[in-house]
Amino acid sequence: ETGVTQTPRHLVMGMTNKKSLKCEQHLGHNAMYWYKQSAKKPLELMFVYNFKEQTENNSVPSRFSPECPNSSHLFLHLHTLQPEDSALYLCASSQAEQGVGETQYFGPGTRLLVL
Amino acid sequence: GDSVTQMEGPVTLSEEAFLTINCTYTATGYPSLFWYVQYPGEGLQLLLKATKADDKGSNKGFEATYRKETTSFHLEKGSVQVSDSAVYFCALNTGNQFYFGTGTSLTVIP
Repeated sequence: ETGVTQTPRHLVMGMTNKKSLKCEQHLGHNAMYWYKQSAKKPLELMFVYNFKEQTENNSVPSRFSPECPNSSHLFLHLHTLQPEDSALYLCASSQAEQGVGETQYFGPGTRLLVL
Repeated sequence: GDSVTQMEGPVTLSEEAFLTINCTYTATGYPSLFWYVQYPGEGLQLLLKATKADDKGSNKGFEATYRKETTSFHLEKGSVQVSDSAVYFCALNTGNQFYFGTGTSLTVIP
């Protein structure tokens, strides 16, 4: 595997379900990100992890819970979601501390549908 | 605050037409600038980048020049193909945070 991978690629869940999204980066990076991409809305940054430590949480509802066990893996745990949470969830990684030269690399995304 | 503004879409062009997608930015300091492309059903892929004023990023026939005087980073391609149909995102990195534009959808018709 190369680059950034995400599983599953598609997920349908009910509002009472609990599921997890997984992201893995094979680039040797030390920072990972979760974004939400909804139709006709700008890309929304949800969480940032630098060196496994969460450094940013952009007022995301508690029904989204991130986990970063090491610098290569990132999870997004989902529970009691709402239909408006249906979106494409994108994971990205980068090599932090490169300043303005830092580039983010994205996975293919998980398309989530909440019924 | 820091931000990126790109032209509204959608854009529809005939094959072999010239493409320009405008992007302007607001930032303190000296950010890096990026263009990402998102094909249907996929994530964002880095298309090109420029890290300082007057740099030109290029890839797959696409080009963009970092213009500090006009705070712009317009994406251009001389002859588009059907396979270029996608959504294009302009982005900047201030060194502290990434900012993405809202995306411009491009459809190229044969």
